[in-house]
Amino acid sequence: DQQVKQNSPSLSVQEGRISILNCDYTNSMFDYFLWYKKYPAEGPTFLISISSIKDKNEDGRFTVFLNKSAKHLSLHIVPSQPGDSAVYFCAASDAGAAGNKLTFGGGTRVLVKP
Amino acid sequence: DTGVSQDPRHKITKRGQNVTFRCDPISEHNRLYWYRQTLGQGPEFLTYFQNEAQLEKSRLLSDRFSAERPKGSFSTLEIQRTEQGDSAMYLCASNDVGARNEQFFGPGTRLTVL
Repeated sequence: DQQVKQNSPSLSVQEGRISILNCDYTNSMFDYFLWYKKYPAEGPTFLISISSIKDKNEDGRFTVFLNKSAKHLSLHIVPSQPGDSAVYFCAASDAGAAGNKLTFGGGTRVLVKP
Repeated sequence: DTGVSQDPRHKITKRGQNVTFRCDPISEHNRLYWYRQTLGQGPEFLTYFQNEAQLEKSRLLSDRFSAERPKGSFSTLEIQRTEQGDSAMYLCASNDVGARNEQFFGPGTRLTVL
């Protein structure tokens, strides 16, 4: 069973506009959430994270929102730039799980058009 | 470069052969993780080490898979009697036990089993 889901496999957005990526989870024990970005032939790179005690975290152009009651989080990228074109993964972890292993969603491929 | 490194980057093998991958984590990190990513999916947790101790293994890790981290530094992942279903990207990540969850990923080893 997929505990973390990204229901949109792809997203196309115009340069300068907002990109909104969504992620849903089912495991209520998850208490820390991360977004990673992945370019082809490279490993995932960390973007931004949020603890379950918060509902928003912002870092430059990237903002993550968490709605615990809906078990939903989103990543907003404003403004989108062509260099943001990549696959974005949502990940979650449970403080009680050994090693804080990450459970990933299936990814959303973002294309930012100049 | 002080990031996570993996070797080889690509491996093509015939079904039934054994393969071994190496991961060198960031030097001060005492936790090391292995993940597997198949096409169109997010990374899936395989196993993790804290120093030299292997503390958790996923049920995805069949008996044909074995991982070691003999001196608490680099790690190896061996797959015996490879099958076509083993074809995937094998990702290594590391972090410090003091850091909640951000894991730093290497570039991965892409395995193709013919």
